[in-house]
Amino acid sequence: DTAVSQTPKYLVTQMGNDKSIKCEQNLGHDTMYWYKQDSKKFLKIMFSYNNKELIINETVPNRFSPKSPDKAHLNLHINSLELGDSAVYFCASSQDVGTETQYFGPGTRLLVL
Amino acid sequence: KNQVEQSPQSLIILEGKNCTLQCNYTVSPFSNLRWYKQDTGRGPVSLTIMTFSENTKSNGRYTATLDADTKQSSLHITASQLSDSASYICVVTKGVYKYIFGTGTRLKVLA
Repeated sequence: DTAVSQTPKYLVTQMGNDKSIKCEQNLGHDTMYWYKQDSKKFLKIMFSYNNKELIINETVPNRFSPKSPDKAHLNLHINSLELGDSAVYFCASSQDVGTETQYFGPGTRLLVL
Repeated sequence: KNQVEQSPQSLIILEGKNCTLQCNYTVSPFSNLRWYKQDTGRGPVSLTIMTFSENTKSNGRYTATLDADTKQSSLHITASQLSDSASYICVVTKGVYKYIFGTGTRLKVLA
């Protein structure tokens, strides 16, 4: 059974477009995260929601907007895509914040042309 | 400045050998330190999480150590297998919500 799933797996789009990435977890966790991994494989956290409330909002362009319709879902909407947005985006979840283990999804590979 | 430095950047070892990866940090206040394994094309998988009071934690053939005084951690892999080939990432949590990532060590295990 898939614990943390993301759609789509691959996303190729033109500069200036708006796109969304979806994430769902079936682990019953209260906390979900979005990470970005650049071409040098450097991971960086973007956002985190706990019980549908935004708790982490790193320095990210406001073109990125997370939305959590319920505890099992955390979507990422990106407006006016730029070349530098090309990266792998990972969703993750954990039971709670703190020392809880985070479980990552398979990633969404975004390529902006 | 809050930093997490990992060494070596890359490592090649023969199957069956042991190896040790290093993580030095300057993060304060320290909350916990995590080691992740990331296979190519996949999401990271948690190996260990250690808090300030923990010195050692094991997960199968993986053993992590933490010296909070010197702000150093190591990940020791025993009897390496081909499937250990991956990137290993050290992450230090500052306070409750601030995650500081290392740049990772790429390990290649050869038959």
